[in-house]
Amino acid sequence: GEDVEQSLFLSVREGDSSVINCTYTDSSSTYLYWYKQEPGAGLQLLTYIFSNMDMKQDQRLTVLLNKKDKHLSLRIADTQTGDSAIYFCAENGTGRRALTFGSGTRLQVQP
Amino acid sequence: GAVVSQHPSRVICKSGTSVKIECRSLDFQATTMFWYRQFPKQSLMLMATSNEGSKATYEQGVEKDKFLINHASLTLSTLTVTSAHPEDSSFYICSARAPDSLYEQYFGPGTRLTVT
Repeated sequence: GEDVEQSLFLSVREGDSSVINCTYTDSSSTYLYWYKQEPGAGLQLLTYIFSNMDMKQDQRLTVLLNKKDKHLSLRIADTQTGDSAIYFCAENGTGRRALTFGSGTRLQVQP
Repeated sequence: GAVVSQHPSRVICKSGTSVKIECRSLDFQATTMFWYRQFPKQSLMLMATSNEGSKATYEQGVEKDKFLINHASLTLSTLTVTSAHPEDSSFYICSARAPDSLYEQYFGPGTRLTVT
């Protein structure tokens, strides 16, 4: 079945850039997403990328997609303490409307 | 953007009782909603797809008689955890696909269920 993997933890200093990586197995993935979850809260959609794109930038967020290697990354520029959260990548393949989530990466931003 | 609400946000119940969780799309109609479960420090796992006016589709390993899903209207899906046990304690999150979008799903804020 579909599988999405992420590293579990990332620690950065405030002001640095953060890069969170994700790999997936479903070659039919149509859209790939990045969600943010703060403690005890639901999911917030940060950004998404269509599978025929290589890159998408939205203010401090840059998403890179390497479809050949099935690798997705999220770069957060000028990381702030408010960015501390768990970040999930997710994908949905052709014909599937539900999302398959990665295990989540806990981002810790140190002042 | 569209809003999905869940009620209650937190619930504590005794082992053996049943709990109903509501998921509502507030300003749009959702023919399909999804129910996910998230255990502490883990990812979201799809439990079932709720279809308005028809039976829910359950993922492998999810007991349909234990997790009853009813999608009675285009704005409401309910998940009832029957005969709850401590191992059912989890964060339950619903989502609805935006009707005019190919990509976007709106997630509810989640319901934290604790079974004592």
